Amino acid sequence: DAGVIQSPRHEVTEMGQEVTLRCKPISGHNSLFWYRQTMMRGLELLIYFNNNVPIDDSGMPEDRFSAKMPNASFSTLKIQPSEPRDSAVYFCASSYGQGFDTEAFFGQGTRLTVV
Amino acid sequence: GESVGLHLPTLSVQEGDNSIINCAYSNSASDYFIWYKQESGKGPQFIIDIRSNMDKRQGQRVTVLLNKTVKHLSLQIAATQPGDSAVYFCAENENNNDMRFGAGTRLTVKP
Repeated sequence: DAGVIQSPRHEVTEMGQEVTLRCKPISGHNSLFWYRQTMMRGLELLIYFNNNVPIDDSGMPEDRFSAKMPNASFSTLKIQPSEPRDSAVYFCASSYGQGFDTEAFFGQGTRLTVV
Repeated sequence: GESVGLHLPTLSVQEGDNSIINCAYSNSASDYFIWYKQESGKGPQFIIDIRSNMDKRQGQRVTVLLNKTVKHLSLQIAATQPGDSAVYFCAENENNNDMRFGAGTRLTVKP
């Protein structure tokens, strides 16, 4: 398996534009997580899906952020409109099982820069 | 202007020496702990985990120690190699809800 695949690897966009980050989890995994990593705040959980259903979105910063998982092999994280403070590395991770007590595999991340 | 970010603790060791990376966690109810390794430009990678009913767990060249009394977790790496250079994060979890990551420690291995 190629592991968790994220695209794009890098994204530079202007403030106010819509940004969509994509994730393909490992085949057979039924939990998917979106994380954000910044120097200021470290690694933070944004949202967690289990069997394609959002379970915990309490980490989503505000209404400008939304995430979907239309099927078991694809998820998106959308920011609309984007702001400079959204600049960060966004990671997607997947695992087999429910919750956080099984090994999660992370993608390479998407480095987002909003100018 | 210049941004102020997290100042990562750093540990520098000689190749072949043993490394000990420490982590203090905050929640006395946390019952599951993981150590992750993150190399530059990559996502975190699972190293080893431990549940609260244990105080020690060993893997290949790595050992995790858990002291619940003082809420302290440590990662020991035996015979540290240049490929071990990375940022190491501890993460804690309570009752399978959420996963909170520490700030990380940067390990540098000198040849």
